[in-house]
Amino acid sequence: DIQMTQSPSSLSASVGDRVTITCRASQTISIFLSWFQQKPGKAPNLLIYAASSLESGVPSRFSGSGSGTDFTLTISNLQPEDFATYYCQQSYSSSLTFGGGTRVEIK
Amino acid sequence: EVQLVQSGAEVKKPGESLKISCKGSGYRFSSYWIGWVRQMPGKGLESIGIIYPYDSDTRYSPSFQGPVTISADKSISTAYLQWSSLKASDTAIYYCARRDCGGDCRGGFDNWGQGTMVTVSS
Repeated sequence: DIQMTQSPSSLSASVGDRVTITCRASQTISIFLSWFQQKPGKAPNLLIYAASSLESGVPSRFSGSGSGTDFTLTISNLQPEDFATYYCQQSYSSSLTFGGGTRVEIK
Repeated sequence: EVQLVQSGAEVKKPGESLKISCKGSGYRFSSYWIGWVRQMPGKGLESIGIIYPYDSDTRYSPSFQGPVTISADKSISTAYLQWSSLKASDTAIYYCARRDCGGDCRGGFDNWGQGTMVTVSS
């Protein structure tokens, strides 16, 4: 089974900061990697698919990169509405495993 | 517009059975995989498994611990997650989500249901 390791598990940042979250797969997954944002009491929301493609309607301050085993989600110019928990998910295998999540908090 | 609407919150006792549902609309239901995801209180997302309604091909995540059954009825565009004997540790929010492809594919989840809260307590 493919394991996804996300880091950090939490971070504190200020409005306007640039934030980077990383996700590492236990084996190569090509570009089959998605990023989700989840706010308390809500379902996850797709931000990035195929490692770097921005989902329709998602602000351009969100970007993704990487291939193989190492991936990055970057939020430039952090906004108040971006404080949430972020998850990566691999879709290379049908187990569709998630990373452990990164909680982005207000500094 | 793609929509996944899940059944309402449930409160059950240990040992009871339960079946929750996820109804899709706005797209050809049988042509896209549907997955189920568990989120225990204060915890992260865990993939339970997926089903392809076209032929009911079902795959369970090897890392998911807990006997559940995934099924689907393509005639009414609905997927199901069921338990024959609930435990307190099954208490969680359960989400369904659509995979952005069908058949032999490697897409991820693109649309999610609103979640069903399942509480198991004596």
